[in-house]
Amino acid sequence: ILNVEQSPQSLHVQEGDSTNFTCSFPSSNFYALHWYRWETAKSPEALFVMTLNGDEKKKGRISATLNTKEGYSYLYIKGSQPEDSATYLCASSGNTPLVFGKGTRLSVIA
Amino acid sequence: GAGVSQTPSNKVTEKGKYVELRCDPISGHTALYWYRQSLGQGPEFLIYFQGTGAADDSGLPNDRFFAVRPEGSVSTLKIQRTERGDSAVYLCASTGGGTGGYNEQFFGPGTRLTVL
Repeated sequence: ILNVEQSPQSLHVQEGDSTNFTCSFPSSNFYALHWYRWETAKSPEALFVMTLNGDEKKKGRISATLNTKEGYSYLYIKGSQPEDSATYLCASSGNTPLVFGKGTRLSVIA
Repeated sequence: GAGVSQTPSNKVTEKGKYVELRCDPISGHTALYWYRQSLGQGPEFLIYFQGTGAADDSGLPNDRFFAVRPEGSVSTLKIQRTERGDSAVYLCASTGGGTGGYNEQFFGPGTRLTVL
């Protein structure tokens, strides 16, 4: 059974700080790794879908890396802003439906 | 364009009642997924449709849960004899591609179900 773990569970940072969190997943039968951002009262929004070992993707101040051999992905946010406050979910697919972690809840304090 | 929509946004029901949750995917998206997020957990896969047929229903927890997509667009998740443990946010997502492993999923805002 695919098990996806995310850490930390929650995080509080000051506006302007950079931060990062981790997603770990089984490296066997890996297909793809997804990151989503879920703001309160809104729909989860896709940030990245990564498939290749060593993939690095960037969208504005947010970037992600992928290591499929050791089974982890990092999400980085540079210069956090209050609007970055959300739950960040990762999900892994191994020729199965997506399996989500429990998320990292980020609060950015102005 | 219009995103994925779900109705109702909130549903409160009593234990033992029947509920239906509706999902309108993005027009033209062939794949549709239902997930359930219980308190403190990540979204948990329930069922996946490719067109009108359920391609994978392995996540449905028991036979009280059933979902349909008769015309390959709108889907309805049906829960019979609701139990308090069914209380959760029910999310729907759609993609234009296949299994969704490689394709980003477009989510609706969810239906928050509360069973009293």
